[in-house]
Amino acid sequence: EAGVAQSPRYKIIEKRQSVAFWCNPISGHATLYWYQQILGQGPKLLIQFQNNGVVDDSQLPKDRFSAERLKGVDSTLKIQPAKLEDSAVYLCASSLRQGAGGYTFGSGTRLTVV
Amino acid sequence: QKEVEQDPGPLSVPEGAIVSLNCTYSNSAFQYFMWYRQYSRKGPELLMYTYSSGNKEDGRFTAQVDKSSKYISLFIRDSQPSDSATYLCATLGAAGNKLTFGGGTRVLVKP
Repeated sequence: EAGVAQSPRYKIIEKRQSVAFWCNPISGHATLYWYQQILGQGPKLLIQFQNNGVVDDSQLPKDRFSAERLKGVDSTLKIQPAKLEDSAVYLCASSLRQGAGGYTFGSGTRLTVV
Repeated sequence: QKEVEQDPGPLSVPEGAIVSLNCTYSNSAFQYFMWYRQYSRKGPELLMYTYSSGNKEDGRFTAQVDKSSKYISLFIRDSQPSDSATYLCATLGAAGNKLTFGGGTRVLVKP
């Protein structure tokens, strides 16, 4: 079974620029999550999709972050404009269903804002 | 107060020792409890999960949950250098729709 694919692996941008991350979940996984992991901290949920609908985006900074999941498969997360404090690893995860054992994480995109 | 708290470490042990990791959580509604392992520059991978209170063993790993004290533990027996990683505890409510992580404990097993 192929894992969760994310790209790019690394990205360096200047503050106020925009950036986009891409995620391809495991085939057949209906639920997709974006997490932000700041260095030295645990991952924090930004947004959860069930198929192509948003289940939870309560912690997404909507003034600068946006995400979409067209056709219920791939997803993109965008930041515009970026701030220094957005420097973090952005992790995508997917699961067949909501529940304890079902989450599989990708390796993440490491974003550095300078 | 954070919903899930962990000592950040680092925790350094000699090879073969028992590694003992702990978490506390604040929300009594949490039903599922998990331990993830995260190697440098990789995403978290699920090690173990338990439902409600009790113990669960899988090879060298034992997870314990005490819901009365809101305390989660992970023990690694016969630790190996390959166990060097960050260990994240996580919880999930009954609705199963939001995984809440602790800050992670960095573990270093020295040969």
